[in-house]
Amino acid sequence: SQQGEEDPQALSIQEGENATMNCSYKTSINNLQWYRQNSGRGLVHLILIRSNEREKHSGRLRVTLDTSKKSSSLLITASRAADTASYFCATDGLTSGGSNYKLTFGKGTLLTVNP
Amino acid sequence: DAGVIQSPRHEVTEMGQEVTLRCKPISGHNSLFWYRQTMMRGLELLIYFNNNVPIDDSGMPEDRFSAKMPNASFSTLKIQPSEPRDSAVYFCASSPTRIARRGPKETEAFFGQGTRLTVV
Repeated sequence: SQQGEEDPQALSIQEGENATMNCSYKTSINNLQWYRQNSGRGLVHLILIRSNEREKHSGRLRVTLDTSKKSSSLLITASRAADTASYFCATDGLTSGGSNYKLTFGKGTLLTVNP
Repeated sequence: DAGVIQSPRHEVTEMGQEVTLRCKPISGHNSLFWYRQTMMRGLELLIYFNNNVPIDDSGMPEDRFSAKMPNASFSTLKIQPSEPRDSAVYFCASSPTRIARRGPKETEAFFGQGTRLTVV
């Protein structure tokens, strides 16, 4: 079953604007990660935030995590046309047996940055 | 390192045929994941190996699907017999995650380019 659910499903903005994508999840997690996928390609890791962290930055990326609400957001500042891609959150949580961890993904947000 | 290598990149096969997808993880990574991506269902985790041992195969849709990891540098996902609804992009990913009783190390998954499977 899918753990993370991204919102919105699609987002279209102008170059230079900020893009915010949200992710909600259901169970306890060890960490939450964001990935990017260009059309026809594999996913590429962007940033990881631990369950005991609330905010993390990497370049133009800012991720927040609210474990009480089981939600995360990804902010891309000063967007560029090259940021056009699908963005996925992934939760690293316990398997059904409770003894190991596995990475499960949401359905993603398709971001289009118009030049 | 060349990254995670999947083959073939594209596969078109007729319904009922056996399909074998291959994956070479990044050297030194001890976790391997097989995912399936479709428009309707998104990215689904099919099976997860750690140190060549299947840990969680609860995502494998049915008995027609099987996966093996005979050694640390190779894994296969087999569909027999294939059906049109199996058409999807199949991704393999590897990670340096290890099972740790006090919790795994922080890690990320490295994805291959995927195999686009079309069953007609």
